Amino acid sequence: DAGVIQSPRHEVTEMGQEVTLRCKPISGHDYLFWYRQTMMRGLELLIYFNNNVPIDDSGMPEDRFSAKMPNASFSTLKIQPSEPRDSAVYFCASSLANYGYTFGSGTRLTVV
Amino acid sequence: AQSVTQLDSHVSVSEGTPVLLRCNYSSSYSPSLFWYVQHPNKGLQLLLKYTSAATLVKGINGFEAEFKKSETSFHLTKPSAHMSDAAEYFCVVSFSGGYQKVTFGTGTKLQVIP
Repeated sequence: DAGVIQSPRHEVTEMGQEVTLRCKPISGHDYLFWYRQTMMRGLELLIYFNNNVPIDDSGMPEDRFSAKMPNASFSTLKIQPSEPRDSAVYFCASSLANYGYTFGSGTRLTVV
Repeated sequence: AQSVTQLDSHVSVSEGTPVLLRCNYSSSYSPSLFWYVQHPNKGLQLLLKYTSAATLVKGINGFEAEFKKSETSFHLTKPSAHMSDAAEYFCVVSFSGGYQKVTFGTGTKLQVIP
């Protein structure tokens, strides 16, 4: 199993541009999570899905952020328009029942 | 509300000496507890988990943790530190009975001195 796959690994974009982060969870996992990690705020849960349905998006900071999971093998996190304060490492994780999260390697986003 | 406190932001040990990373939680219910490790520029990897079975939990890389309900603690230990253990460690608590909503501690950075 290749684990949770995120792309791109690094993204540098200009303020105001749209950014799309991608995640492929582990096959068979029924939960998918998007986290953001910064030095100031640590790890923050943005949103999570169960069986492709968004369950809790209370952590999404603003309407500029949106997430979708069109099928069990793919999810996107979109920021439009992006701002410098969105710079962070974004992690995707998936899980099945009580076996613990498996995290992807993350996408390091820099908005200049 | 659930919460988790990692008592030390930084811990420094010499190679070959024991490691102790402390974690306390607050809850009115029985929690599920986890420890994750994050090496620099990497994702988080599950070390071990407690979900109401044996109170002493063994994980990967020689780590173990003991759930103590009376002390509301879940400290992570290792008998002998290796250089490769240098990383950031996160204590995580869930009170939903699963993984749906968890709370991460603020992390403890472990430094291993040769």
